Amino acid sequence: AQSVTQLDSHVSVSEGTPVLLRCNYSSSYSPSLFWYVQHPNKGLQLLLKYTSAATLVKGINGFEAEFKKSETSFHLTKPSAHMSDAAEYFCVVSASNTDKLIFGTGTRLQVFP
Amino acid sequence: NAGVTQTPKFRILKIGQSMTLQCAQDMNHNYMYWYRQDPGMGLKLIYYSVGAGITDKGEVPNGYNVSRSTTEDFPLRLELAAPSQTSVYFCASSQQLGETQYFGPGTRLLVL
Repeated sequence: AQSVTQLDSHVSVSEGTPVLLRCNYSSSYSPSLFWYVQHPNKGLQLLLKYTSAATLVKGINGFEAEFKKSETSFHLTKPSAHMSDAAEYFCVVSASNTDKLIFGTGTRLQVFP
Repeated sequence: NAGVTQTPKFRILKIGQSMTLQCAQDMNHNYMYWYRQDPGMGLKLIYYSVGAGITDKGEVPNGYNVSRSTTEDFPLRLELAAPSQTSVYFCASSQQLGETQYFGPGTRLLVL
């Protein structure tokens, strides 16, 4: 069975400093992995997606994530946080394109000026 | 191209009342989903559909019903509203079951 664990429920950073949001997954197969972002009172928007091509995936708004099979991790990073990055971020796993998505519990990112 | 739309945006229900949350997509996706989002709990799948006329239960289906008469529409029905159904409800659609899902803006439901 697939599962995903987001290791931090809240992360606070200063504007201009790096962002690291941690995600570990469990999957019996070669998974597809996603990061979604949810701004306040909005729906979820896809940030990036890994599907067994390059292990370093670049997404929108300067975010990227690295798939590390040996560590079963898919951490999300950004070199320099912007105030507009303040949002809830969800790590998501799917065993294959014939399987449902499993959502993590989310990490709330706060960005201070 | 509106993507996924949901109505209403917000609703207050009394215990025992019923209502239908509407969802529509214009991307010709076969797969559609209903999730509920409770604080600190992530998204839980209520029901999903793999095409018109075909629906299946997700993780938390109790208290809800769905139908899928067309590719575009996937309404969610609450028959006897309970306080435990206070939540934010999201509809989504995708080309394949495990592929990128596109989400609507959500419906905030308060049951008192």
